Amino acid sequence: DAGVIQSPRHEVTEMGQEVTLRCKPISGHDYLFWYRQTMMRGLELLIYFNNNVPIDDSGMPEDRFSAKMPNASFSTLKIQPSEPRDSAVYFCASRSAGTSGELFFGEGSRLTVL
Amino acid sequence: DAKTTQPPSMDCAEGRAANLPCNHSTISGNEYVYWYRQIHSQGPQYIIHGLKNNETNEMASLIITEDRKSSTLILPHATLRDTAVYYCIVRVASNQGGKLIFGQGTELSVKP
Repeated sequence: DAGVIQSPRHEVTEMGQEVTLRCKPISGHDYLFWYRQTMMRGLELLIYFNNNVPIDDSGMPEDRFSAKMPNASFSTLKIQPSEPRDSAVYFCASRSAGTSGELFFGEGSRLTVL
Repeated sequence: DAKTTQPPSMDCAEGRAANLPCNHSTISGNEYVYWYRQIHSQGPQYIIHGLKNNETNEMASLIITEDRKSSTLILPHATLRDTAVYYCIVRVASNQGGKLIFGQGTELSVKP
């Protein structure tokens, strides 16, 4: 398996623009997570899905952020409008429903909002 | 999920054992101890996890105290490639809940 695949790897945009980050989880995994990492706040859980259904979005910072999972092999995280403080590395991760709980992370999408 | 406490940074000489401590004094009976690490610019990587007994795999060993209030991750022969941030996390079994919450971790520097 190719692992969790994220795109784009890097994005630079201007304040006010819409940003869409994409994630393809590992085939067969039931859970998908979106994390954000900054120097100041570390690694924060934004939202997670189970069987394509959002379970907990309490980490989503505000209404400018939205996430969807239309099917088992694809998820998006959208920021509209983007702001400079959204600059961070966004990680997607997935895992199966087994007892191990091992989370597999993608390589991240580095977002810079000017 | 229970909170964990880790030293912010540690140094280790290459080839020596790296012992990374973690306190989780409020851990519940059904919570596991997980360790992940994050090498610079990469996504976190799973290392090992355990409930009560000590565990060992090809990457590391996990020693959990009898009262389960603390644990130690051991990298038996640290290499320069082990330089990373190591996260200790406690949580219920994955089939009882979904979240994995990361703290600040320990930044391990392995020096030649």
